[in-house]
Amino acid sequence: DVKVTQSSRYLVKRTGEKVFLECVQDMDHENMFWYRQDPGLGLRLIYFSYDVKMKEKGDIPEGYSVSREKKERFSLILESASTNQTSMYLCASNREYYQPQHFGDGTRLSIL
Amino acid sequence: TQLLEQSPQFLSIQEGENLTVYCNSSSVFSSLQWYRQEPGEGPVLLVTVVTGGEVKKLKRLTFQFGDARKDSSLHITAAQTGDTGLYLCAGVEEYGNKLVFGAGTILRVKS
Repeated sequence: DVKVTQSSRYLVKRTGEKVFLECVQDMDHENMFWYRQDPGLGLRLIYFSYDVKMKEKGDIPEGYSVSREKKERFSLILESASTNQTSMYLCASNREYYQPQHFGDGTRLSIL
Repeated sequence: TQLLEQSPQFLSIQEGENLTVYCNSSSVFSSLQWYRQEPGEGPVLLVTVVTGGEVKKLKRLTFQFGDARKDSSLHITAAQTGDTGLYLCAGVEEYGNKLVFGAGTILRVKS
């Protein structure tokens, strides 16, 4: 089975801090994704990557950046955390864009 | 980006009742996926429908893809408390490379 592992289940940070969310997948998938999930808004795509060192903006990239130095690892960076970035963050991966995505269990991030 | 309207947003029913969740768009999707998410976990794929008019069954769950590939439905027969969760539909853009998610339906089945 595909395993997508997010480094933290819960995280509390302060406004202005630089925050790193890490995600690792073990199935050699080309594509990796970062979403945020908010009640009533569903999953919104922040960034995705289709290859090492390649990245593309999703629907809500402002205030975020990403890094993919190795195929199995995709990091989401909040450059200067703000309270409106308090949310559930989900990482996912797949091999082809049209295939179902495999999700991690999420990181619930609170910015105080 | 294409939009997927999912309804209802919330559903609270008694065990044994039937229910239907709808996913609608004005745009065409090449395929549509249904996920279920339980509290504290990520979404897990239930089924993918690809062909217009396709019907797939997963035990008491029946999934249908509209003939024009613009809409889909999930019907649960004789709901059980274990069906409680968030149900998400997601469409693969016909002329893009993104997965578009609906806002989700929170289902609560009471015993």
